[in-house]
Amino acid sequence: EPEVTQTPSHQVTQMGQEVILRCVPISNHLYFYWYRQILGQKVEFLVSFYNNEISEKSEIFDDQFSVERPDGSNFTLKIRSTKLEDSAMYFCASSFGLAGSADTQYFGPGTRLTVL
Amino acid sequence: AQSVTQLDSQVPVFEEAPVELRCNYSSSVSVYLFWYVQYPNQGLQLLLKYLSGSTLVKGINGFEAEFNKSQTSFHLRKPSVHISDTAEYFCAVSRIQGAQKLVFGQGTRLTINP
Repeated sequence: EPEVTQTPSHQVTQMGQEVILRCVPISNHLYFYWYRQILGQKVEFLVSFYNNEISEKSEIFDDQFSVERPDGSNFTLKIRSTKLEDSAMYFCASSFGLAGSADTQYFGPGTRLTVL
Repeated sequence: AQSVTQLDSQVPVFEEAPVELRCNYSSSVSVYLFWYVQYPNQGLQLLLKYLSGSTLVKGINGFEAEFNKSQTSFHLRKPSVHISDTAEYFCAVSRIQGAQKLVFGQGTRLTINP
């Protein structure tokens, strides 16, 4: 069964460094998402992406964050200058794109980002 | 805006006992409702979803949930749990109109004891 994959599973970085989290969505899916979960808190929506542009973003998704689909398979989340509070589990998700029908989002296993 | 409250952060249950995981939501617009499960070291997997119609929704692994509009609840139930049901369970909503982002509750850790 097709699945969403994410790399790396765990990323440790120093504060102020740039990180890129990578995701490979399911191949025929058209909508892509990033969510994050700070330890002990809720899973929070960051951004959705469709047709090579951001379709919605949360207030968390400030200028330090960017997303890109650099080729036909990868979907990346870049954090330009990491802060301690960016430490979290980051989940990528994708969906086929059935408008108006609560399209199921399929989630990857997550990347645990630790900022020191 | 939408919000989701899962009333129990942890639920310990004995194997073969019934379980109910509670979820309440708040929204000024109509929403779809979801339950996701996260097994250790895995991603979130859809258990079931409510779109419209019958308020009792059946999902995978013997789980079901009942939508109660007047109570704004969507509680998850299973009549007899197994050790393999040990996981974190997340309730979520999304708006019917517009973007499909999911708004999650804080999760309930279900622990099954032998």
